[in-house]
Amino acid sequence: DGGITQSPKYLFRKEGQNVTLSCEQNLNHDAMYWYRQDPGQGLRLIYYSQIVNDFQKGDIAEGYSVSREKKESFPLTVTSAQKNPTAFYLCASSPRQTYEQYFGPGTRLTVT
Amino acid sequence: EDQVTQSPEALRLQEGESSSLNCSYTVSGLRGLFWYRQDPGKGPEFLFTLYSAGEEKEKERLKATLTKKESFLHITAPKPEDSATYLCAPQTGANNLFFGTGTRLTVIP
Repeated sequence: DGGITQSPKYLFRKEGQNVTLSCEQNLNHDAMYWYRQDPGQGLRLIYYSQIVNDFQKGDIAEGYSVSREKKESFPLTVTSAQKNPTAFYLCASSPRQTYEQYFGPGTRLTVT
Repeated sequence: EDQVTQSPEALRLQEGESSSLNCSYTVSGLRGLFWYRQDPGKGPEFLFTLYSAGEEKEKERLKATLTKKESFLHITAPKPEDSATYLCAPQTGANNLFFGTGTRLTVIP
């Protein structure tokens, strides 16, 4: 089955710790994205990547970092510099031709 | 400044009671308008993309339409399994979808 996987589904961390969220896709899509979703707000773009070894900041990149070493993988690191990291994180991918974004199941991160 | 407003915020329908959800937008350089369905605790599921005013697309009980300033998602004879949050997202750049906050639909048996 083709799709996007995110792991883990739930993640708990102490304040001050960095944490990495996994995103893998086997759809052969060129572009990948990271969003965060908070109650009462629309999805907000953190980072995106159109091609391996290249990525761009989205609207709320501060306190986050990414890498794109393989076409299939786009991990997101939430650093201790992110002031309000507790949120639902969503990864998406899209083919270059249509830009239709397909989402993974999400990771709910709780930082206390 | 790009803006997108979805209304109503929440909608309760009896099974079989048709209605419409609204997505009003003000964006520069609209490339497309996307609709997604999201169930609680899950990632959004792609439904439709509309590219030009007057375009319509259908999928089962759902029909999406687009004008220059709005998009509507019409739900005909809904069933309880249609209960979800429906998100619209104008595409403002090659990689930028600007998401609304959604309409939470509940269909009562």
